[in-house]
Amino acid sequence: DQQVKQNSPSLSVQEGRISILNCDYTNSMFDYFLWYKKYPAEGPTFLISISSIKDKNEDGRFTVFLNKSAKHLSLHIVPSQPGDSAVYFCAAEKAAGNKLTFGGGTRVLVKP
Amino acid sequence: DVKVTQSSRYLVKRTGEKVFLECVQDMDHENMFWYRQDPGLGLRLIYFSYDVKMKEKGDIPEGYSVSREKKERFSLILESASTNQTSMYLCASSLNPGTGGSYEQYFGPGTRLTVT
Repeated sequence: DQQVKQNSPSLSVQEGRISILNCDYTNSMFDYFLWYKKYPAEGPTFLISISSIKDKNEDGRFTVFLNKSAKHLSLHIVPSQPGDSAVYFCAAEKAAGNKLTFGGGTRVLVKP
Repeated sequence: DVKVTQSSRYLVKRTGEKVFLECVQDMDHENMFWYRQDPGLGLRLIYFSYDVKMKEKGDIPEGYSVSREKKERFSLILESASTNQTSMYLCASSLNPGTGGSYEQYFGPGTRLTVT
């Protein structure tokens, strides 16, 4: 039973346009959410996070939105660049916990 | 800069062999984790450790064991490798949020294990 789901396995977008990645979760105990980016043959690297007390967090071209009532978060990348082509994972953490629960990942391809 | 290193990038083993995967972190992190990554399944937690000699099962511990004798080192052991353990194995570390850290985990480059 996957508690964190990324329903789109892949996404293709033109350079300069917006990439929107979606993530749904089922466990209402999750209160902290993270996005990781992974290139082939490398470990995931942290991208951006959001606490459940917020509904938006922005860092440069990356913005994460959280809708707690819908148990849904999204990552917006604007503008998309070819170097953004990677697999993106969302992850969730319970309060006072140390474990992350990951989604299945979305492969993003940014076309020049 | 946090550095997490894994002993091998690629490993090929035979069915039934005992396999050791080593992970070392250099930032004095309390927590260490072992995941496996499979297409469409994301990262699944095998075991984690929040202190030396402490370990807890993750979501898929069957067929694996771990050892943490020193704070900086966390080993994953496949007692008798099987073909369904062919996967990418990722090690990670983190500080405890309660000691001023965040929930962010830092990952090593991964070990691609093939069991034939």
